[in-house]
Amino acid sequence: KAGVTQTPRYLIKTRGQQVTLSCSPISGHRSVSWYQQTPGQGLQFLFEYFSETQRNKGNFPGRFSGRQFSNSRSEMNVSTLELGDSALYLCASSLGPTSSADTQYFGPGTRLTVL
Amino acid sequence: DQQVKQNSPSLSVQEGRISILNCDYTNSMFDYFLWYKKYPAEGPTFLISISSIKDKNEDGRFTVFLNKSAKHLSLHIVPSQPGDSAVYFCAATFPGNNRKLIWGLGTSLAVNP
Repeated sequence: KAGVTQTPRYLIKTRGQQVTLSCSPISGHRSVSWYQQTPGQGLQFLFEYFSETQRNKGNFPGRFSGRQFSNSRSEMNVSTLELGDSALYLCASSLGPTSSADTQYFGPGTRLTVL
Repeated sequence: DQQVKQNSPSLSVQEGRISILNCDYTNSMFDYFLWYKKYPAEGPTFLISISSIKDKNEDGRFTVFLNKSAKHLSLHIVPSQPGDSAVYFCAATFPGNNRKLIWGLGTSLAVNP
């Protein structure tokens, strides 16, 4: 069974631009969660989607948004990029919603650099 | 406010010896704890978990101990192998936050041959 895939793996943008990251979960998984990883803050939860609905949201500004499609693939969008948005963005999939405590399986991440 | 703390950023151990990674938490509502391992250029992979109703869970070379009164858990790797060299993350969750994972900052383990 293929694992979680994320595209692109690396991205360089400039301040003020917007970016869209993509995540394809493991086949059969319906929940996708997004995390931001930075050296000083560790992994910070962004949001979770289950069956195309956002179920959970972390403490990030509205510039961070996401969506999930009927095939469970998910995208996250960051608008008006800031230097501080430079981070590794990780996507995790699980069978059920995070409230079910199903194991989360992570993709390799997208490394975003904002110049 | 770091609710899950891994106070040792790094740890170096000789191959064959025991590795002990520590994690402290502040939120007494946490009832489920997980350890993830992360290699460079890969996402974290689930290693082992423990529910607050237990004080020990074992899986092969990996054992997690939970001390609820001290709000402390530890991961023991015995014997340590060079392939165990990675960053280890402790995470915690509870029903009240829809089981969002709250993560520590990680401990980088180096197992030397």
